[in-house]
Amino acid sequence: ETGVTQSPTHLIKTRGQQVTLRCSSQSGHNTVSWYQQALGQGPQFIFQYYREEENGRGNFPPRFSGLQFPNYSSELNVNALELDDSALYLCASSLVADLTDTQYFGPGTRLTVL
Amino acid sequence: SQKIEQNSEALNIQEGKTATLTCNYTNYSPAYLQWYRQDPGRGPVFLLLIRENEKEKRKERLKVTFDTTLKQSLFHITASQPADSATYLCALGTGGGNKLTFGTGTQLKVEL
Repeated sequence: ETGVTQSPTHLIKTRGQQVTLRCSSQSGHNTVSWYQQALGQGPQFIFQYYREEENGRGNFPPRFSGLQFPNYSSELNVNALELDDSALYLCASSLVADLTDTQYFGPGTRLTVL
Repeated sequence: SQKIEQNSEALNIQEGKTATLTCNYTNYSPAYLQWYRQDPGRGPVFLLLIRENEKEKRKERLKVTFDTTLKQSLFHITASQPADSATYLCALGTGGGNKLTFGTGTQLKVEL
């Protein structure tokens, strides 16, 4: 088990609504990345935060946004939810000093959009 | 565009045999390649990393090879056990705090 926690575990929303997912990183880790994993697919990189600033972004629209707090915890916000946003959202923490980018994943939040 | 391919079909093997999973990539010059294990409804768990200048890496019953000419990595589990049943993901990165790019994963089922 990694020390990364995520909340909530499951969430059901309707199309057009907004959602906030939360993540606490592993102790000592200063970088948080968010991934979206659709059923049967590998995780897709959404964005990464380092020192409270966005430090890289994948191919996701601006309605996906995030925050990192001074204690390195993080939030993922998704506005105007679409049916295709239904997925497992994974948070992963890492150390920038670790040049191998090894990711320590949380258990994920399962989002269902109806 | 960058592409990472793993066997999309599930791999079924008998307990005690060696499982071999494949990861192929195109349009990518990774500094390293990682393998993760993912159980249903859980986050991926890091298993092994191999760098571009390494040919082979071992950890207990796991072995990874990396051929940058063929653009391929092979992941072996020797003396497989039913507890090894899971989805295995390969991921490539260029290092220095950049993102990882994951393949779609291969589901392994080890039968008694």
